[in-house]
Amino acid sequence: EAQVTQNPRYLITVTGKKLTVTCSQNMNHEYMSWYRQDPGLGLRQIYYSMNVEVTDKGDVPEGYKVSRKEKRNFPLILESPSPNQTSLYFCASSFGPSYGYTFGSGTRLTVV
Amino acid sequence: KNQVEQSPQSLIILEGKNCTLQCNYTVSPFSNLRWYKQDTGRGPVSLTIMTFSENTKSNGRYTATLDADTKQSSLHITASQLSDSASYICVVSAEQAGTALIFGKGTTLSVSS
Repeated sequence: EAQVTQNPRYLITVTGKKLTVTCSQNMNHEYMSWYRQDPGLGLRQIYYSMNVEVTDKGDVPEGYKVSRKEKRNFPLILESPSPNQTSLYFCASSFGPSYGYTFGSGTRLTVV
Repeated sequence: KNQVEQSPQSLIILEGKNCTLQCNYTVSPFSNLRWYKQDTGRGPVSLTIMTFSENTKSNGRYTATLDADTKQSSLHITASQLSDSASYICVVSAEQAGTALIFGKGTTLSVSS
């Protein structure tokens, strides 16, 4: 089944403790992206990647890092999480900007 | 500034009724417009995607229209079902803007019996 898999689905952590949210797709998509969704603000792009070793900032990249060492994986790294990063996070992939995007099921992160 | 505005913010309708959701955008240069359905706590799922030359596209009971001149789109839902209760998000892609998508904030639809 074609899908984008995110892990974990739920995560509660403490301020300053580094964490990684994994994202993997099995559709051979070149493009991958991370979004956060907050009430009243909609989906906002954090980082995106056009291909392996090619990443770029989205609208809200502060406090996040990404890497794209393999085509299928695009992890989101929070080096020192803060409470304002409490949010619902989505990974998405696509063949490119003119194609449909497949979203993962989401990761609900709470930073206390 | 590239923006996507959706209306209404929320909507309640009775099961079996039709409804229309609106999307206005100021994205330029325009590449394509998508409508997504997002169930609570789940990832968005694509309903339709339209390019500049397309003015109507259907997906079952969902019909999207696009007027590129007025920069408006609508999503019409026919014979609504309880399972249509969700947030509907309009997303516009701009050419030569990396791969960034401009998201609307969504319309929350509640279908009651």
